[in-house]
Amino acid sequence: DAGVIQSPRHEVTEMGQEVTLRCKPISGHNSLFWYRQTMMRGLELLIYFNNNVPIDDSGMPEDRFSAKMPNASFSTLKIQPSEPRDSAVYFCASSLFAQNLVAQHFGDGTRLSIL
Amino acid sequence: AQKVTQAQTEISVVEKEDVTLDCVYETRDTTYYLFWYKQPPSGELVFLIRRNSFDEQNEISGRYSWNFQKSTSSFNFTITASQVVDSAVYFCALSVSGYSTLTFGKGTMLLVSP
Repeated sequence: DAGVIQSPRHEVTEMGQEVTLRCKPISGHNSLFWYRQTMMRGLELLIYFNNNVPIDDSGMPEDRFSAKMPNASFSTLKIQPSEPRDSAVYFCASSLFAQNLVAQHFGDGTRLSIL
Repeated sequence: AQKVTQAQTEISVVEKEDVTLDCVYETRDTTYYLFWYKQPPSGELVFLIRRNSFDEQNEISGRYSWNFQKSTSSFNFTITASQVVDSAVYFCALSVSGYSTLTFGKGTMLLVSP
């Protein structure tokens, strides 16, 4: 079975440009999560969706960040305009939400560098 | 609010040594879930184990074992006879019932040298 698929794996772009990160969750999973990992702050949850609906976006740093999940098999995280401090590894994860929480499965991440 | 503390930032051992990674958690919820993830140098996050708060049985999987103690709010991870391939950053995480989100510790970097 395919795992969580993220694209691109690496992105290098100049400050001010729009960046779009993409995620395809595991088929059948109905919860999707976006995390950011930096040396200073570790792994932080940015936003998560249940059944394509954003449930908690309190971790989104500011209005420059937005996330969408138009259907059960696709999500995007967009940064516009990008800034050097947005440089990080961004992970997408998915799980099957149930009364007994199951594990989140992570994609390989997108390493983002803003120059 | 939930909190996970991994006090060991980095541990270095020689191959075949046993090593224990500590994890202490804080939550007021009585139903919660604890996880360990491994992040090897290649960067991906690999799920290792999930444990719920009602199951305090220790678990062993090959060279890996986990010790869950509610009395000390700890969920420690032991690797027996460590190998170079065990070198990675290990994260402990917590989730409470009714919420899907994970609260991660800062991670412990394990370096296993030949």
